[in-house]
Amino acid sequence: DAKTTQPTSMDCAEGRAANLPCNHSTISGNEYVYWYRQIHSQGPQYIIHGLKNNETNEMASLIITEDRKSSTLILPHATLRDTAVYYCIVSLRAKTSYDKVIFGPGTSLSVIP
Amino acid sequence: GAVVSQHPSWVICKSGTSVKIECRSLDFQATTMFWYRQFPKQSLMLMATSNEGSKATYEQGVEKDKFLINHASLTLSTLTVTSAHPEDSSFYICSATRTDGRQNYGYTFGSGTRLTVV
Repeated sequence: DAKTTQPTSMDCAEGRAANLPCNHSTISGNEYVYWYRQIHSQGPQYIIHGLKNNETNEMASLIITEDRKSSTLILPHATLRDTAVYYCIVSLRAKTSYDKVIFGPGTSLSVIP
Repeated sequence: GAVVSQHPSWVICKSGTSVKIECRSLDFQATTMFWYRQFPKQSLMLMATSNEGSKATYEQGVEKDKFLINHASLTLSTLTVTSAHPEDSSFYICSATRTDGRQNYGYTFGSGTRLTVV
C-alpha cells in the first residue's frame, strides 16, 4: 500500500499558487519525500524531493513539516500546463540500493483559466 | 539529465500474440528498473523490479510467466507480454534508477507504451 494520503482533486486559478498537501504520518527517518506529476498518457515527471529541509527548484517548492509527517508542494504561479495528477511518494534512498516506488491515487490538479 | 526511452509508444496486437516493450536508459547505467501498469483513471501499479543480470522480483498477483522481464544490460530492460489478451490492454511504464555506491540519482520514468489487444 502507498504510504501517503492526498486529496483526490483540487482546482487552482491560473497565475495563482497551487498548494498540494500530502500526509505521510508513518514516514521513517531515512525515507525521502518525492513528488512526481503525470500529464495524461505520459510517464511521470520528477518535480522535487526532500528529506527534512524545505527545498526549491525551478519547478516548485517543497515544504516539509518539522515532524516530517506531512508536506506541501507549492507551484508558485500555476499555468494551464500544470494540469496533471500529482503524486507524493515516500521512499528509501540508500547508497547502494533503491526502495521500490509505490504510487497512491495522487491529486488531480485542474488549473482553471 | 537522465533520460529513459521506452519503445514502442503504442502497439496494437492480436489476441494470443506476444509483444515486447523496451526500456533504455540513454545517458546513464541503470542499476535497477521497475515496470508499472496503469489502467484508465487509475494510478500506476508496480508489476516488478529488475536488477541487471538477475531475475526480476514480481509483485503479488503478477504472473511471471505472462510478463517476462529481461534486464540483460545496464541500459536495457524488456517486458514481454506473452499470449496477450484484451484484458492485458493497458499503459505500461518503466522506470530506471542508478547508484554509484556513493550517491543515488533518483527515479526516471519512460514515456509509456499504450498496448491494445484486439
